Amino acid sequence: QSGLTQPPSASGSPGQSVTISCTGTSSDVGASTYVSWYQQYPGKAPKLMIYEVSKRPSGVPDRFSGSKSGNTASLTVSGLQADDEADYHCSSYVGTNNMIFGGGTKLTVL
Amino acid sequence: QLQLQESGPGLVKPSETLSLTCSVSGGSISNSNYYWGWVRQPPGKGLEWIGETFYSGATYYNPSLKSRVTISEDTSNNRFSLKLSSVTAADTAVYYCARVFLSRTIDSWGQGTLVSVSS
Repeated sequence: QSGLTQPPSASGSPGQSVTISCTGTSSDVGASTYVSWYQQYPGKAPKLMIYEVSKRPSGVPDRFSGSKSGNTASLTVSGLQADDEADYHCSSYVGTNNMIFGGGTKLTVL
Repeated sequence: QLQLQESGPGLVKPSETLSLTCSVSGGSISNSNYYWGWVRQPPGKGLEWIGETFYSGATYYNPSLKSRVTISEDTSNNRFSLKLSSVTAADTAVYYCARVFLSRTIDSWGQGTLVSVSS
């Protein structure tokens, strides 16, 4: 199974919105309601930001939102803040008791 | 507060077996609502799911690693382990243990431990 495809980088100015895509296939993202997004600071463990495509865990700001269309999931960060600068990883359940990740996207706040 | 802590050698020789243990506190690995798994991240690269174990003893592995991976549970000590055999330099990575919802959502991570493969 191949990994999910994410852009290597994304950027935006403070206050703006940025959307990061995560493209898979009809066997993973396209077939799954279990798409997650993780935020990771350098040298730190990832942190869950979005699960089941669009749900936010308690404590995650509503500036973070998730969606899916066909084989592509998206994470949108609205009202960009300096501490949103991090790597973002998507993952999807694959219906054979497997999980795959994207390659990660480095978000830069200009 | 759930905590996961990885432990094991930071350096493994090529062709040998990498062995790591994840000690869990603040929750039971016998909880039927979760899997307990391993994820790795090569330096400067993305995350890779390795596999997971369930309280029933069931295990699920990344197909690309399946022939070399064993994940097992030690319920009496509330910990679980990873063994990866025949390692090469490509297995150099930060290894994370994690709690995984049945939907394969990872809600808790260990701090990670760097394992280097080198002679």
